[in-house]
Amino acid sequence: EDQVTQSPEALRLQEGESSSLNCSYTVSGLRGLFWYRQDPGKGPEFLFTLYSAGEEKEKERLKATLTKKESFLHITAPKPEDSATYLCAVHGSSNTGKLIFGQGTTLQVKP
Amino acid sequence: DADVTQTPRNRITKTGKRIMLECSQTKGHDRMYWYRQDPGLGLRLIYYSFDVKDINKGEISDGYSVSRQAQAKFSLSLESAIPNQTALYFCATSDTGGHTEAFFGQGTRLTVV
Repeated sequence: EDQVTQSPEALRLQEGESSSLNCSYTVSGLRGLFWYRQDPGKGPEFLFTLYSAGEEKEKERLKATLTKKESFLHITAPKPEDSATYLCAVHGSSNTGKLIFGQGTTLQVKP
Repeated sequence: DADVTQTPRNRITKTGKRIMLECSQTKGHDRMYWYRQDPGLGLRLIYYSFDVKDINKGEISDGYSVSRQAQAKFSLSLESAIPNQTALYFCATSDTGGHTEAFFGQGTRLTVV
């Protein structure tokens, strides 16, 4: 059964304090790993797709990396506006188009 | 205008009532999904549809039904609402192929009292 586990559940950082969020997954035939950002009361907003181990993608202060078992979302010098819940999801070959989501990591960045 | 629009945004209903949540999209995507979000449980798939004639159950379909009225419209019904269906509901769409990103609506906050 395909599974996604995110850690930590919650993370508090001071502004400028870099850190990483983890997404561990088990999936038969990874077809894509997705990172989303979700602000309170809003729908998830797409950030990145990673397709194969070794792939990296960057957007402003965020960088996503992928290995065969996990993905990291690195946040460099975060700002208060980076505070949100970050969701990881996978699409495996057995899921025929369905995304399986982790529980999310809620990030709070204090000024 | 949002690409994926959900109505209503908030709804309070009584136990035993029938309620319909509606979703429409302007992305031109074939695939549409309904997810439920609960604190600590993440997003769980209720139903999904890959085209107008296709309806599939997700991991938590009991107590729910759906209708795909057109390529752009996908509605979720609770035939007889119960309190543990209180949650945040999201509609999403994706392009054919499945390995492209999904686009989400703003959500419907449903409270069953």
